Amino acid sequence: QVHLVESGGDLVKPGGSLRLSCAASGFTFSDYYMSWIRQAPGKGLEWISYIDYTGTTIHYADSVKGRFTISRDNAKNSLYLQMTSLRAEDTAVYYCARAVSLGDWGQGTLVTVSS
Amino acid sequence: DVVMTQTPLSLSVIPGQPASISCTSSQNLLHTNNKTYLYWYLQRPGQSPQPLIREVSSRFPGVPDRFSGNGAGTDFTLKISRVEAEDVGVYYCMQGINLYTFGQGTKLEI
Repeated sequence: QVHLVESGGDLVKPGGSLRLSCAASGFTFSDYYMSWIRQAPGKGLEWISYIDYTGTTIHYADSVKGRFTISRDNAKNSLYLQMTSLRAEDTAVYYCARAVSLGDWGQGTLVTVSS
Repeated sequence: DVVMTQTPLSLSVIPGQPASISCTSSQNLLHTNNKTYLYWYLQRPGQSPQPLIREVSSRFPGVPDRFSGNGAGTDFTLKISRVEAEDVGVYYCMQGINLYTFGQGTKLEI
């Protein structure tokens, strides 16, 4: 059974940094693209980044380009999102999702950016 | 950027009755590989989104057959043949031909 567990969410001040993790199990992690999607409080879904099987191909939404970095460690079955220069508008629940089809999602981790 | 527009934004349905949600994209979602990258997701209250439909009309494993999707090019529809209480939540369409973009969401209530 596919299992995705996000962690690392926290309260951080504007301009601060945070690293999110997504631990994957129940499937061959290295066989799948992975994505991060976020949802601001009371708002809709916003895709923010994806990474291919090996980390060779990476894309970001314009809203996070230059500030966020996606990466993965296939040996540890883990996906990461390094977030820097955080802004209030980055406050959201961050989800990781599996595959091009986003066919499996984790439960999310909350990032709050506030002074 | 591809813009996804859903209508209606909210929907109130009597259990057992059908429901329909439309999704329009600003670009043709048909890829040169002949696949159309249009997906539907349901986010139940307090839960993570879950996948319903992939590539316009294929249900993800475990999705009841009362859910169906159709459409082509830029115009798509999600239909629920007979709404049940567990179908309450927000429905999102998403395009996957040019990165990913979600629609605004349609809130279904009973």
